[in-house]
Amino acid sequence: DVKVTQSSRYLVKRTGEKVFLECVQDMDHENMFWYRQDPGLGLRLIYFSYDVKMKEKGDIPEGYSVSREKKERFSLILESASTNQTSMYLCASSSRSPRRGNTIYFGEGSWLTVV
Amino acid sequence: AQKITQTQPGMFVQEKEAVTLDCTYDTSDPSYGLFWYKQPSSGEMIFLIYQGSYDQQNATEGRYSLNFQKARKSANLVISASQLGDSAMYFCAMSTGRRALTFGSGTRLQVQP
Repeated sequence: DVKVTQSSRYLVKRTGEKVFLECVQDMDHENMFWYRQDPGLGLRLIYFSYDVKMKEKGDIPEGYSVSREKKERFSLILESASTNQTSMYLCASSSRSPRRGNTIYFGEGSWLTVV
Repeated sequence: AQKITQTQPGMFVQEKEAVTLDCTYDTSDPSYGLFWYKQPSSGEMIFLIYQGSYDQQNATEGRYSLNFQKARKSANLVISASQLGDSAMYFCAMSTGRRALTFGSGTRLQVQP
């Protein structure tokens, strides 16, 4: 069974802390994505990666960075967490051309609260 | 730029009735794909149905069908014979050559017994 695994389901962090959200996929997918989900705003793309060590900014990259050292792992980093980064974060992966069918797979989400 | 608009923040439907969730999109790319996802309260994203911009027929998957009107740039999801388990958030999304999905703001569907 295909799987995208996010390391932490629920996190509580303090303002100013450095936060790592880890995501691992076992499908040998080229593309990996990080979204954040907020009520009334849907899912917004933070960063995505189409290959190892490659990354592109999404729609809301400010305050975030990413790392992809291995094909199966894509990390989202909050360099200095702020309360407005309290949200649910979803990782996803896809084959090179997510054009048809169920080729985009999501993790279960990480609920981050910054206090 | 790509944009997806879902104008219904919340919808109610009686069990066993059909319901239509609206979605309009905007893109200048002639080749694109349209997706619908269901998100129960547990948070997982469940793929429901896909429509390609060049597909001649509307997509169907069991009780789900996609009413694709290309000239109007709409891709409405129709759920027939609603069930209590259909209560969830529903997201419309689009993919283009950029390879990342652009999502709408979602519609919360509540099915009443």
